Amino acid sequence: GNSVTQMEGPVTLSEEAFLTINCTYTATGYPSLFWYVQYPGEGLQLLLKATKADDKGSNKGFEATYRKETTSFHLEKGSVQVSDSAVYFCALRKGYQKVTFGIGTKLQVIP
Amino acid sequence: EAGVTQFPSHSVIEKGQTVTLRCDPISGHDNLYWYRRVMGKEIKFLLHFVKESKQDESGMPNNRFLAERTGGTYSTLKVQPAELEDSGVYFCASSLPTGGPNEQFFGPGTRLTVL
Repeated sequence: GNSVTQMEGPVTLSEEAFLTINCTYTATGYPSLFWYVQYPGEGLQLLLKATKADDKGSNKGFEATYRKETTSFHLEKGSVQVSDSAVYFCALRKGYQKVTFGIGTKLQVIP
Repeated sequence: EAGVTQFPSHSVIEKGQTVTLRCDPISGHDNLYWYRRVMGKEIKFLLHFVKESKQDESGMPNNRFLAERTGGTYSTLKVQPAELEDSGVYFCASSLPTGGPNEQFFGPGTRLTVL
């Protein structure tokens, strides 16, 4: 079946540090890949997505590239802010099927 | 336009009691999904409605869980009787009918604590 593996946190960074959260997946065919974010006290929000190999999703300074050859979709941001503190979930989906999530990585950014 | 809403936001009950969670999807979204995140683990799929029909209920953990979507609008998820391991955050999501954009929009979740 489909699965998503992401690094477990928590990850603690200083403001303006570089962020990488690794994500790899297992799936047949060509799933769509997503990063969702859950800020404290809020629901899940779609952060970015990519629907085919070599696509780059980007939003709010975050980026992730769909790498078919390494089955990866790592999340990066060049300079994190305190407001980026949240839980980040890597996920995949094929067509209109259910979303398969990773375990979530908690990010804490300190001033 | 209103997003997906869920009620209640928090529920604390004792083992053996019954709890009903409600989800109101975005208007016009035929697809409705329930997911659950148990503390520290993945968000896992529970079931998928297309309108009022259950399309996929492969993620429902056992027969203590009952989901309904009468009239194809809002949905309820009832847990009866609740057990300690049912504690977690229950998310609802909705998406447009098949053939349209396939993004799932998530609600804020209901945090269930079973004591």
